[in-house]
Amino acid sequence: QSVLTQPPSLSGAPGQRVTISCTGSTSNIGADYDVHWYQQLPGAAPKLLIYGNTKRPSGVPDRFSGSRSGTSPSLSITGLQAEDEADYYCQSYDNVLSGWVFGGGTKLTVL
Amino acid sequence: QLQVQESGPGLVRPSETLSLTCVVSGDSINTTSYYWGWIRQPPGKGLEWIGSIYYYKITYYHPSLKSRVTISVDTSKNQISLTLNSVTAADTAVYYCARHRDRVSGADLWGHGTLVTVSS
Repeated sequence: QSVLTQPPSLSGAPGQRVTISCTGSTSNIGADYDVHWYQQLPGAAPKLLIYGNTKRPSGVPDRFSGSRSGTSPSLSITGLQAEDEADYYCQSYDNVLSGWVFGGGTKLTVL
Repeated sequence: QLQVQESGPGLVRPSETLSLTCVVSGDSINTTSYYWGWIRQPPGKGLEWIGSIYYYKITYYHPSLKSRVTISVDTSKNQISLTLNSVTAADTAVYYCARHRDRVSGADLWGHGTLVTVSS
């Protein structure tokens, strides 16, 4: 059971917008630690998609965006494309565990 | 271009020790002040942080693995190592090496991962 909670699955049609939520607790997201998001394509290693809640690494399309309203971070993908079909993970720091915690992952299906 | 590549035995018998290496190419880990972490992913499951090392010797580990895991750096070989003792089938996973800037940051560089199966 993962420390951070994400919806297990989501789907959307090409061109649509989807949003993935990530819920934590007072020892991680609630303690104001940054949230980071990863994309994991089938058979590949995770790739950093969003860091510091809202920042995009160089090369990541601006269709991907991170937001955070208080203790509610989310990842949005606009203009959904077939190549976006992947697993998405949120990650933060936990001060009880004194290390990283991950969400269980959200499997995104492009219809 | 900086690259990271994990390697290991592939198959480990129960109760034995798993040993993996992560070779960094394209830059010397001596010249940077990054943290290096190990993360694993059991087949069909999510990601689990194992532990990290910084300043070549300061380590911190996941509490559930702390008694069995050691992470070290060999600057002469430009590599980071992971050992996990007394393995069981539950340790079967793809093991990734990844770079991060500090304790709370995300990992901006990942290796391709190496699958380790624990089986007799």
